[in-house]
Amino acid sequence: EVQLVESGGGLVQPGGSLRLSCAASGFTFSSYEMNWVRQAPGKGLEWVSYISGSGSTIYYADSVKGRFTISRDNARNSLSLQMNSLRAEDTAVYYCARVGAAPVGYWGQGTLVTVSS
Amino acid sequence: QLVLTQSPSASASLGASVKLTCTLSSGHSSYAIAWHQQQPEKGPRFLMKLNTDGSHTKGDGIPDRFSGSSSGTERYLTISSLQSEDEADYYCQAWGIGIRVFGGGTKLTVL
Repeated sequence: EVQLVESGGGLVQPGGSLRLSCAASGFTFSSYEMNWVRQAPGKGLEWVSYISGSGSTIYYADSVKGRFTISRDNARNSLSLQMNSLRAEDTAVYYCARVGAAPVGYWGQGTLVTVSS
Repeated sequence: QLVLTQSPSASASLGASVKLTCTLSSGHSSYAIAWHQQQPEKGPRFLMKLNTDGSHTKGDGIPDRFSGSSSGTERYLTISSLQSEDEADYYCQAWGIGIRVFGGGTKLTVL
């Protein structure tokens, strides 16, 4: 059974930093692209960042470029998102997701990030 | 620029069928997409990957009532024999070099 379990969310002040993690199991992690997707309160899904299976190719949405860094550790089956210079508009539920070119996709349950003073 | 357009809302009666549409931006008719469902107060759930020829692969446990089809830049999700639990937001997603993108979502109301 495929499982994606996010952790690391919480309350952070504007300008602060937070690191999200995603523990993956039930599939060959290194064979699949992974993404972070967020959803602000009452809004739709917004893609945040992509990393290829090997980690050699990385993309970011313009809204987070230069502030967020995606990474993966294939030996530990884990995905991370380092978020710096956080803004109020980064407040959202952040999902780890194996969605994209693969035939079948999976989502984690999400972790809430609140940026507020 | 890759953009996905969805109608904000749709409605259909219990037991009926509904067809939701996702429109790819001009020049992107060769793109596959994915459909995702988000029930109220829950996280998203992968429904299917839909190819340009209409073939699709469904996610774990997705019932046969959900099917997909394609025509040009249009990608469709058809839900038959609507049930109350189908009331949800439905998002399409596409991917390309350097980008992944979601449509704005369609809120489906089951009457």
